Amino acid sequence: AQSVTQLGSHVSVSEGALVLLRCNYSSSVPPYLFWYVQYPNQGLQLLLKYTSAATLVKGINGFEAEFKKSETSFHLTKPSAHMSDAAEYFCAVSERGFQKLVFGTGTRLLVSP
Amino acid sequence: NAGVTQTPKFQVLKTGQSMTLQCAQDMNHNSMYWYRQDPGMGLRLIYYSASEGTTDKGEVPNGYNVSRLNKREFSLRLESAAPSQTSVYFCASSEQLTGSYGYTFGSGTRLTVV
Repeated sequence: AQSVTQLGSHVSVSEGALVLLRCNYSSSVPPYLFWYVQYPNQGLQLLLKYTSAATLVKGINGFEAEFKKSETSFHLTKPSAHMSDAAEYFCAVSERGFQKLVFGTGTRLLVSP
Repeated sequence: NAGVTQTPKFQVLKTGQSMTLQCAQDMNHNSMYWYRQDPGMGLRLIYYSASEGTTDKGEVPNGYNVSRLNKREFSLRLESAAPSQTSVYFCASSEQLTGSYGYTFGSGTRLTVV
Protein backbone atom coordinates (compact mmCIF):
# COMPACT_ATOMS: atom_id res chain seq x y z
CA ALA A 1 0.00 0.00 0.00
CA GLN A 2 1.19 3.48 -0.76
CA SER A 3 2.12 5.84 2.05
CA VAL A 4 4.16 8.98 2.60
CA THR A 5 6.20 10.16 5.56
CA GLN A 6 7.12 13.78 6.18
CA LEU A 7 9.99 14.16 8.62
CA GLY A 8 9.52 17.05 11.01
CA SER A 9 6.14 18.58 11.81
CA HIS A 10 7.82 22.01 12.06
CA VAL A 11 10.84 23.44 10.24
CA SER A 12 12.26 26.87 11.11
CA VAL A 13 14.56 28.87 8.83
CA SER A 14 15.78 32.41 8.61
CA GLU A 15 14.83 34.61 5.69
CA GLY A 16 17.33 33.99 2.89
CA ALA A 17 18.30 30.53 4.12
CA LEU A 18 17.87 27.24 2.28
CA VAL A 19 14.52 25.53 2.69
CA LEU A 20 14.54 21.70 2.84
CA LEU A 21 11.34 19.79 3.56
CA ARG A 22 11.65 16.03 3.60
CA CYS A 23 9.28 13.47 2.11
CA ASN A 24 9.77 9.72 1.81
CA TYR A 25 7.28 7.46 0.14
CA SER A 26 6.39 3.81 0.16
CA SER A 27 5.01 2.33 -3.01
CA SER A 28 5.21 -1.01 -4.74
CA VAL A 29 5.48 0.62 -8.16
CA PRO A 30 6.91 3.92 -9.41
CA PRO A 31 4.49 6.49 -8.08
CA TYR A 32 3.21 9.94 -8.88
CA LEU A 33 4.38 12.45 -6.28
CA PHE A 34 3.10 15.88 -5.34
CA TRP A 35 3.81 18.81 -3.07
CA TYR A 36 1.00 21.07 -1.95
CA VAL A 37 1.14 24.31 0.06
CA GLN A 38 -1.54 25.57 2.45
CA TYR A 39 -1.51 29.18 3.58
CA PRO A 40 -3.45 30.08 6.74
CA ASN A 41 -7.20 29.68 6.40
CA GLN A 42 -6.94 28.58 2.78
CA GLY A 43 -7.20 25.37 0.82
CA LEU A 44 -4.29 23.38 -0.57
CA GLN A 45 -2.54 24.64 -3.71
CA LEU A 46 -0.42 22.47 -5.99
CA LEU A 47 3.26 23.45 -5.89
CA LEU A 48 4.68 20.79 -8.20
CA LYS A 49 4.31 17.19 -9.28
CA TYR A 50 6.42 14.30 -10.54
CA THR A 51 4.82 12.02 -13.12
CA SER A 52 7.91 10.22 -14.54
CA ALA A 53 9.38 12.83 -16.83
CA ALA A 54 12.43 14.69 -15.49
CA THR A 55 13.45 13.66 -11.98
CA LEU A 56 14.08 17.29 -11.00
CA VAL A 57 10.77 19.08 -10.96
CA LYS A 58 10.39 22.85 -10.79
CA GLY A 59 7.29 24.39 -9.30
CA ILE A 60 5.81 27.74 -8.45
CA ASN A 61 7.39 30.35 -6.18
CA GLY A 62 10.94 29.06 -6.76
CA PHE A 63 10.42 25.63 -5.23
CA GLU A 64 11.77 22.44 -6.72
CA ALA A 65 11.88 18.76 -5.78
CA GLU A 66 13.99 15.81 -6.90
CA PHE A 67 12.68 12.29 -7.27
CA LYS A 68 15.26 9.77 -6.01
CA LYS A 69 14.09 6.23 -6.55
CA SER A 70 17.04 4.67 -4.72
CA GLU A 71 16.20 6.69 -1.59
CA THR A 72 12.40 6.61 -2.10
CA SER A 73 12.46 10.36 -1.50
CA PHE A 74 10.94 13.49 -2.97
CA HIS A 75 12.35 16.33 -0.87
CA LEU A 76 11.23 19.92 -1.47
CA THR A 77 13.82 22.69 -1.63
CA LYS A 78 14.10 26.42 -2.20
CA PRO A 79 17.47 28.19 -2.26
CA SER A 80 16.39 31.31 -0.38
CA ALA A 81 13.40 31.52 1.95
CA HIS A 82 11.03 34.48 1.91
CA MET A 83 8.70 35.51 4.69
CA SER A 84 5.80 34.75 2.34
CA ASP A 85 6.86 31.07 2.24
CA ALA A 86 5.59 30.56 5.78
CA ALA A 87 2.84 27.96 5.38
CA GLU A 88 2.11 24.27 5.80
CA TYR A 89 3.42 21.91 3.14
CA PHE A 90 2.00 18.51 2.29
CA CYS A 91 3.60 15.71 0.32
CA ALA A 92 1.27 13.28 -1.45
CA VAL A 93 1.71 10.01 -3.36
CA SER A 94 -0.38 8.04 -5.78
CA GLU A 95 0.40 4.71 -7.34
CA ARG A 96 -0.09 4.40 -11.07
CA GLY A 97 -3.46 3.31 -12.24
CA PHE A 98 -6.74 4.42 -10.80
CA GLN A 99 -5.44 5.31 -7.35
CA LYS A 100 -6.29 8.22 -5.11
CA LEU A 101 -3.75 10.55 -3.55
CA VAL A 102 -2.48 9.72 -0.06
CA PHE A 103 -1.26 12.72 1.93
CA GLY A 104 1.44 13.06 4.54
CA THR A 105 0.76 14.73 7.87
CA GLY A 106 2.29 18.03 6.79
CA THR A 107 5.27 20.20 7.72
CA ARG A 108 4.80 23.74 8.97
CA LEU A 109 7.50 26.07 7.67
CA LEU A 110 8.32 29.03 9.90
CA VAL A 111 10.43 31.86 8.45
CA SER A 112 12.04 34.38 10.78
CA PRO A 113 13.46 37.78 9.77
CA ASN B 1 -12.38 30.92 -12.77
CA ALA B 2 -14.04 29.98 -9.49
CA GLY B 3 -12.49 26.47 -9.36
CA VAL B 4 -13.93 24.61 -6.36
CA THR B 5 -16.47 26.50 -4.25
CA GLN B 6 -17.48 25.35 -0.77
CA THR B 7 -20.31 26.65 1.39
CA PRO B 8 -20.57 27.59 4.16
CA LYS B 9 -17.10 28.76 5.23
CA PHE B 10 -17.88 28.53 8.94
CA GLN B 11 -20.52 26.66 10.92
CA VAL B 12 -21.26 25.95 14.55
CA LEU B 13 -23.58 23.03 15.33
CA LYS B 14 -24.97 21.58 18.49
CA THR B 15 -24.47 17.88 19.13
CA GLY B 16 -27.16 15.92 17.32
CA GLN B 17 -27.94 18.57 14.71
CA SER B 18 -27.64 17.82 11.02
CA MET B 19 -26.20 19.83 8.18
CA THR B 20 -25.04 19.56 4.58
CA LEU B 21 -21.77 20.93 3.27
CA GLN B 22 -22.00 22.00 -0.34
CA CYS B 23 -19.29 21.75 -2.99
CA ALA B 24 -19.35 22.77 -6.65
CA GLN B 25 -16.64 22.80 -9.31
CA ASP B 26 -16.67 24.52 -12.68
CA MET B 27 -13.69 22.75 -14.31
CA ASN B 28 -15.66 19.86 -15.83
CA HIS B 29 -13.78 17.43 -13.60
CA ASN B 30 -15.03 13.87 -13.33
CA SER B 31 -13.82 13.00 -9.83
CA MET B 32 -14.60 14.72 -6.54
CA TYR B 33 -13.51 14.17 -2.95
CA TRP B 34 -14.27 15.14 0.63
CA TYR B 35 -11.43 15.35 3.16
CA ARG B 36 -11.22 16.38 6.78
CA GLN B 37 -8.14 18.04 8.23
CA ASP B 38 -7.23 17.72 11.88
CA PRO B 39 -4.07 18.95 13.63
CA GLY B 40 -1.21 16.48 13.33
CA MET B 41 -3.23 14.08 11.19
CA GLY B 42 -2.97 15.64 7.77
CA LEU B 43 -5.85 15.10 5.37
CA ARG B 44 -8.04 12.06 5.66
CA LEU B 45 -10.40 11.00 2.90
CA ILE B 46 -14.05 10.72 3.93
CA TYR B 47 -15.79 9.87 0.65
CA TYR B 48 -15.07 10.24 -3.01
CA SER B 49 -16.88 10.08 -6.32
CA ALA B 50 -14.87 8.73 -9.24
CA SER B 51 -17.48 9.91 -11.72
CA GLU B 52 -21.03 11.18 -11.84
CA GLY B 53 -23.37 8.58 -10.41
CA THR B 54 -20.79 6.79 -8.24
CA THR B 55 -19.65 7.29 -4.66
CA ASP B 56 -17.29 5.28 -2.46
CA LYS B 57 -16.09 5.28 1.11
CA GLY B 58 -12.69 6.61 2.00
CA GLU B 59 -10.63 6.23 5.14
CA VAL B 60 -13.05 7.78 7.67
CA PRO B 61 -16.66 7.53 6.38
CA ASN B 62 -18.49 6.82 9.65
CA GLY B 63 -21.03 9.51 10.54
CA TYR B 64 -21.15 10.97 7.03
CA ASN B 65 -23.13 10.55 3.83
CA VAL B 66 -22.56 12.02 0.40
CA SER B 67 -24.50 12.79 -2.75
CA ARG B 68 -23.09 13.39 -6.21
CA LEU B 69 -25.95 15.55 -7.39
CA ASN B 70 -24.56 16.03 -10.90
CA LYS B 71 -21.13 16.38 -12.48
CA ARG B 72 -20.54 19.74 -10.80
CA GLU B 73 -21.82 19.17 -7.28
CA PHE B 74 -20.83 16.84 -4.46
CA SER B 75 -22.38 17.35 -1.03
CA LEU B 76 -21.42 15.97 2.39
CA ARG B 77 -24.08 15.41 5.04
CA LEU B 78 -23.72 15.00 8.77
CA GLU B 79 -26.93 13.38 10.02
CA SER B 80 -26.27 13.71 13.75
CA ALA B 81 -23.24 15.83 14.48
CA ALA B 82 -20.80 14.81 17.23
CA PRO B 83 -17.96 16.80 18.83
CA SER B 84 -15.49 14.39 17.17
CA GLN B 85 -16.61 15.83 13.83
CA THR B 86 -15.21 19.24 14.72
CA SER B 87 -12.73 19.76 11.91
CA VAL B 88 -11.93 21.63 8.73
CA TYR B 89 -13.54 20.03 5.70
CA PHE B 90 -12.12 20.30 2.21
CA CYS B 91 -13.69 19.41 -1.07
CA ALA B 92 -11.43 18.66 -4.03
CA SER B 93 -11.80 17.64 -7.65
CA SER B 94 -9.64 16.11 -10.38
CA GLU B 95 -9.99 15.36 -14.08
CA GLN B 96 -9.95 11.63 -13.46
CA LEU B 97 -9.41 9.31 -10.50
CA THR B 98 -5.98 8.44 -11.85
CA GLY B 99 -3.50 10.05 -9.49
CA SER B 100 -1.35 11.78 -12.08
CA TYR B 101 -3.73 14.70 -12.46
CA GLY B 102 -3.49 16.09 -8.96
CA TYR B 103 -6.37 17.70 -7.14
CA THR B 104 -7.85 21.20 -7.01
CA PHE B 105 -9.06 22.14 -3.54
CA GLY B 106 -11.74 24.44 -2.23
CA SER B 107 -11.02 26.92 0.56
CA GLY B 108 -12.61 24.77 3.26
CA THR B 109 -15.45 24.74 5.78
CA ARG B 110 -14.51 25.17 9.43
CA LEU B 111 -17.05 23.19 11.49
CA THR B 112 -17.36 23.28 15.25
CA VAL B 113 -19.70 20.89 17.06
CA VAL B 114 -20.50 21.86 20.65
